[in-house]
Amino acid sequence: DTGVSQDPRHKITKRGQNVTFRCDPISEHNRLYWYRQTLGQGPEFLTYFQNEAQLEKSRLLSDRFSAERPKGSFSTLEIQRTEQGDSAMYLCASSSGWGTHEQYFGPGTRLTVT
Amino acid sequence: RKEVEQDPGPFNVPEGATVAFNCTYSNSASQSFFWYRQDCRKEPKLLMSVYSSGNEDGRFTAQLNRASQYISLLIRDSKLSDSATYLCVVNPKGPEYGNKLVFGAGTILRVKS
Repeated sequence: DTGVSQDPRHKITKRGQNVTFRCDPISEHNRLYWYRQTLGQGPEFLTYFQNEAQLEKSRLLSDRFSAERPKGSFSTLEIQRTEQGDSAMYLCASSSGWGTHEQYFGPGTRLTVT
Repeated sequence: RKEVEQDPGPFNVPEGATVAFNCTYSNSASQSFFWYRQDCRKEPKLLMSVYSSGNEDGRFTAQLNRASQYISLLIRDSKLSDSATYLCVVNPKGPEYGNKLVFGAGTILRVKS
């Protein structure tokens, strides 16, 4: 399967714990995005990488959130001191750097903070 | 005002019906437009890009009206498998800004036999 992959698919954690998610984009895509989706809403943009550079961050991304893409391939999203409001689906997408820039999504990581 | 607005539905239609969804966007500088489909508890999947001239892919037709900042999706001969949430998606800035996508909240379609 050459699509976007994410790990883990589900994560249950207690409030105050740290969690880290991983995303592996489509191999030839140099752009990688993180979104968050809650029930009944469309995905909301969190941050974007071009290669290893983080070029844009949403104001939704509080200082408890950090994302990295150290070698321009896979990316990690870490949430520190989780809160119940962080419960959501975290989606990763990737796109190539040309054409219509269509984004392709991974299956997501569903986070539940208890 | 939300950047992308859609009628949430649900639209309940019989098999074989034609159904149309509409969407409006607020940023007149938006460059790219898409429809994504999302099944329950799954990731969004790209259905089609929307071009200024309008475009068709089988039973699906998408149209863009830049003057009215309005996007539509028409589904002909609805199938049970078309049941899903349809997300209207806009890239509010040009590709040189990184292609952040802004999603509407989605329109729910239920096709019944």
